[in-house]
Amino acid sequence: DAGVIQSPRHEVTEMGQEVTLRCKPISGHDYLFWYRQTMMRGLELLIYFNNNVPIDDSGMPEDRFSAKMPNASFSTLKIQPSEPRDSAVYFCASSASRGGWNSPLHFGNGTRLTVT
Amino acid sequence: GQQVMQIPQYQHVQEGEDFTTYCNSSTTLSNIQWYKQRPGGHPVFLIQLVKSGEVKKQKRLTFQFGEAKKNSSLHITATQTTDVGTYFCAGPSGSNYQLIWGAGTKLIIKP
Repeated sequence: DAGVIQSPRHEVTEMGQEVTLRCKPISGHDYLFWYRQTMMRGLELLIYFNNNVPIDDSGMPEDRFSAKMPNASFSTLKIQPSEPRDSAVYFCASSASRGGWNSPLHFGNGTRLTVT
Repeated sequence: GQQVMQIPQYQHVQEGEDFTTYCNSSTTLSNIQWYKQRPGGHPVFLIQLVKSGEVKKQKRLTFQFGEAKKNSSLHITATQTTDVGTYFCAGPSGSNYQLIWGAGTKLIIKP
């Protein structure tokens, strides 16, 4: 089991540029979550998918943020245009519903985004 | 809205001393999960408690779930440098497939 795989590990970009973060969940997991972590706000849930369908995107801060899950093994989080306040660590996590509601989350290593 | 409060925010201990972090929910929880995040790392699931009054142990770590299922604690006996990190509790929102996270307690070992 390779775990949740995220890329890139680090991203430095200039304000106004488009940023795309990628995630491969654990095979067989049917829930996928995107979180953002900052010192000020802690861990924030941005959006989650069940069986590739977005269920709750109420945590997405603005229309500049979008997420897709075209298939069970791939998801993207896109920020366009990026702003300095988007600087944070973005985590992808997956879980399996067979464990029951609120099964443990398996997190990827995260993408540290810096927008200058 | 539903909140999970976690205290303290930081705890500085000498190696070998004990460490405790507490979580309190504004509502009754069906379960509570604990995660550990090492510096520069990602949260890693430690344990889930489901039953009222449940106590579980993992080596030097003891996890408790309150009788009313609104509070929980994690106690580490005789801390080691490998215990350094931030410990989070998280409980289900009750309305959707979401976890409400505590702010975390950072365990710092004094040099």
